Amino acid sequence: EAQVTQNPRYLITVTGKKLTVTCSQNMNHEYMSWYRQDPGLGLRQIYYSMNVEVTDKGDVPEGYKVSRKEKRNFPLILESPSPNQTSLYFCASSPLAGEQYFGPGTRLTVT
Amino acid sequence: AQKVTQAQTEISVVEKEDVTLDCVYETRDTTYYLFWYKQPPSGELVFLIRRNSFDEQNEISGRYSWNFQKSTSSFNFTITASQVVDSAVYFCALRSDNYGQNFVFGPGTRLSVLP
Repeated sequence: EAQVTQNPRYLITVTGKKLTVTCSQNMNHEYMSWYRQDPGLGLRQIYYSMNVEVTDKGDVPEGYKVSRKEKRNFPLILESPSPNQTSLYFCASSPLAGEQYFGPGTRLTVT
Repeated sequence: AQKVTQAQTEISVVEKEDVTLDCVYETRDTTYYLFWYKQPPSGELVFLIRRNSFDEQNEISGRYSWNFQKSTSSFNFTITASQVVDSAVYFCALRSDNYGQNFVFGPGTRLSVLP
């Protein structure tokens, strides 16, 4: 089944404790991206990648890191999480000019 | 800069009514792509349609239809004979090749269909 998977689905952590949210797709898509969704602000892009070793900032990259060492994986790293990073996070993938397919979301709470 | 505006924050209709969700976009690029996504209460994001900038044909899929007008930079979405299962947040999005392929989403419109 073609899909985008994210793990974990739910995470509660404390300020400053490094964490990684994994994202994997099995559709051989070149493009992958991360979004956060906050009430009243819609979906905002954090980072995106057009291919292996090619990443670029989206609209809200501060406090996040990404890497794209393999085509199928695009982990999101929070080196020192803060409460303002409490949010619902979505990973997505697509062909370069096509529609994005989204993972199920990761709900992160930073206390 | 790219921007997507969905002026309607929330809409409530009674079942079987028709409803149109508005989307207005801004881009300087000549080649771009427009999308609609649905986010039901369960939270997942479901792709509904993609429209390329060079294809202004309107599209109909069952009770759903989309009206793309480049002259007004609009890509509106109409649900005919709405049903309770249509209750969701709907997002319009824009993707442009000349902006590094990043996606821009509108703020979303929350549609409530009442029985």
